[in-house]
Amino acid sequence: NAGVMQNPRHLVRRRGQEARLRCSPMKGHSHVYWYRQLPEEGLKFMVYLQKENIIDESGMPKERFSAEFPKEGPSILRIQQVVRGDSAAYFCASSPPLAGGVTGELFFGEGSRLTVL
Amino acid sequence: AQKITQTQPGMFVQEKEAVTLDCTYDTSDPSYGLFWYKQPSSGEMIFLIYQGSYDQQNATEGRYSLNFQKARKSANLVISASQLGDSAMYFCAMSVKAAGNKLTFGGGTRVLVKP
Repeated sequence: NAGVMQNPRHLVRRRGQEARLRCSPMKGHSHVYWYRQLPEEGLKFMVYLQKENIIDESGMPKERFSAEFPKEGPSILRIQQVVRGDSAAYFCASSPPLAGGVTGELFFGEGSRLTVL
Repeated sequence: AQKITQTQPGMFVQEKEAVTLDCTYDTSDPSYGLFWYKQPSSGEMIFLIYQGSYDQQNATEGRYSLNFQKARKSANLVISASQLGDSAMYFCAMSVKAAGNKLTFGGGTRVLVKP
């Protein structure tokens, strides 16, 4: 019963490099969410994906950030040309297919902590 | 748009005492869910408790209970018999039906339990 798996747990990049963060949802979960947490702040929604579809990307910065959830393999959050302000914890969460109601819990991974030097 | 407000940035509580963490929310959607998560210093997000907008009774999970006052739009978390391991950040969050499972988080409350 593996939970949501994120890797790497810690990633250090220099300004201008690319960062790739991976998320494998729980077994049977087809919905993936990415959140960003700046130091001493709450989590901020970035993007919501289902397999091969971006459902809601209203929280994604317009430039340098992209996300995918392919038919096979993990979801990937990609940050190009990183800047110091991208330093944060990036959390992935997953849920099963939604029923008709509001729903319940999101299952979170342990987060990936990006440090940009 | 949804909004979650946690007005207490930090608080101390004596071990074995109860503590109430405040959370108010705002949404025009009649169908929503309210959540509390715990984030210890290790960083993971731990689900604590959930309350649906149509639930008639307040949710309880062990030492956690949610004081849901719909008319006041508040969803306070009560932790009874505090333990040292309860020291952490606590986040209130909300999802609305129209937005699927997308959660909106409050800014968090840091709790420090004193022995």
